[in-house]
Amino acid sequence: SQQGEEDPQALSIQEGENATMNCSYKTSINNLQWYRQNSGRGLVHLILIRSNEREKHSGRLRVTLDTSKKSSSLLITASRAADTASYFCATVPSGTYKYIFGTGTRLKVLA
Amino acid sequence: DVKVTQSSRYLVKRTGEKVFLECVQDMDHENMFWYRQDPGLGLRLIYFSYDVKMKEKGDIPEGYSVSREKKERFSLILESASTNQTSMYLCASRLQTSYEQYFGPGTRLTVT
Repeated sequence: SQQGEEDPQALSIQEGENATMNCSYKTSINNLQWYRQNSGRGLVHLILIRSNEREKHSGRLRVTLDTSKKSSSLLITASRAADTASYFCATVPSGTYKYIFGTGTRLKVLA
Repeated sequence: DVKVTQSSRYLVKRTGEKVFLECVQDMDHENMFWYRQDPGLGLRLIYFSYDVKMKEKGDIPEGYSVSREKKERFSLILESASTNQTSMYLCASRLQTSYEQYFGPGTRLTVT
């Protein structure tokens, strides 16, 4: 399968806690992106990390990338109920235009 | 803000019907994409268009065709709808020079 994989598939935490989700992929990449999808809606781009970067921050989001292990993690700090959504990683393999999306992590933040 | 709109949020069609899904973006993006999303399978690329009248097959083009006559509009056509095409269809666009995709709200298509 060309699909990336996220784990866990589902995650339930209390408001204020941190949420960590992981993504593994199979090929060498130009970059890796994370997207959020609220229930039944389109995806929203959150953050992009290039293959030569190891860590990136944006507000309460922290993304790490380990190209030797072909893996990335997304950390959401101080989570809020509004963070409840599905989160997808997407990779762009080197030399292609195609995005390969993972199967997603469903995050539920309990108030 | 970039806006990507899709013609319908929900659509119910019968087996064998020809179905048109329309996508329009308002930011002069060169590239446009059609995906389908199914539980447990993530998003899978159906077709990609890198410019007007240009198209390339994605990973699952069988049973679909596309049309891009104007830069802002990318149409997905199901020539003869089948029940296994029941799915959520997502359109996206991006600038040629950027990797960030902008998605429409999706069309949930049911074929009965």
